[in-house]
Amino acid sequence: DAMVIQNPRYQVTQFGKPVTLSCSQTLNHNVMYWYQQKSSQAPKLLFHYYDKDFNNEADTPDNFQSRRPNTSFCFLDIRSPGLGDAAMYLCATSIWTGTTDTQYFGPGTRLTVL
Amino acid sequence: AQSVSQHNHHVILSEAASLELGCNYSYGGTVNLFWYVQYPGQHLQLLLKYFSGDPLVKGIKGFEAEFIKSKFSFNLRKPSVQWSDTAEYFCASRGDTGRRALTFGSGTRLQVQP
Repeated sequence: DAMVIQNPRYQVTQFGKPVTLSCSQTLNHNVMYWYQQKSSQAPKLLFHYYDKDFNNEADTPDNFQSRRPNTSFCFLDIRSPGLGDAAMYLCATSIWTGTTDTQYFGPGTRLTVL
Repeated sequence: AQSVSQHNHHVILSEAASLELGCNYSYGGTVNLFWYVQYPGQHLQLLLKYFSGDPLVKGIKGFEAEFIKSKFSFNLRKPSVQWSDTAEYFCASRGDTGRRALTFGSGTRLQVQP
């Protein structure tokens, strides 16, 4: 089935130790999004790729980076995780029509920082 | 900045009760509106969406929502809930600003008691 896949589902890292989260899609969508969702809060957009064009949200910390080597894959790199970065990280994909899209979400990666 | 308000944070209903979850958005122009559901341990799934046309939108699993522009509202309804509807429900909006980002509400946790 076509879908949005995130690996790993659970990630434990140490304070300050770089970590990479992975998202892949079989939908051939041109947009891939990364959201951060903390407990009992709304998902918050970190950044997104429209094709190869990277779009950062103004309040996303520099500690968060992303790579999209091809249409199917997108990575979230956290260079020096802090305790406050513990959260669920959601990947979503869509086809941007020029004016709108509908976003389809993966299952998320729950990040724990020790 | 756009905002989405979901005033009911936690709703408890008995099976067969009717449901209405409130959603108010702040953007005054043309807006896309979405309801997503997150079942326990699962990913965000699209319930329904409104882009234009008939303000009464029907979604999956018997859910519907009504767009009332004068009230900046997009309330979610279901005439008779089931235990399996226990989940967290998120309303989201996007205004016609050219930005692709969705603005999510903080979510409503629905608990349906058998």
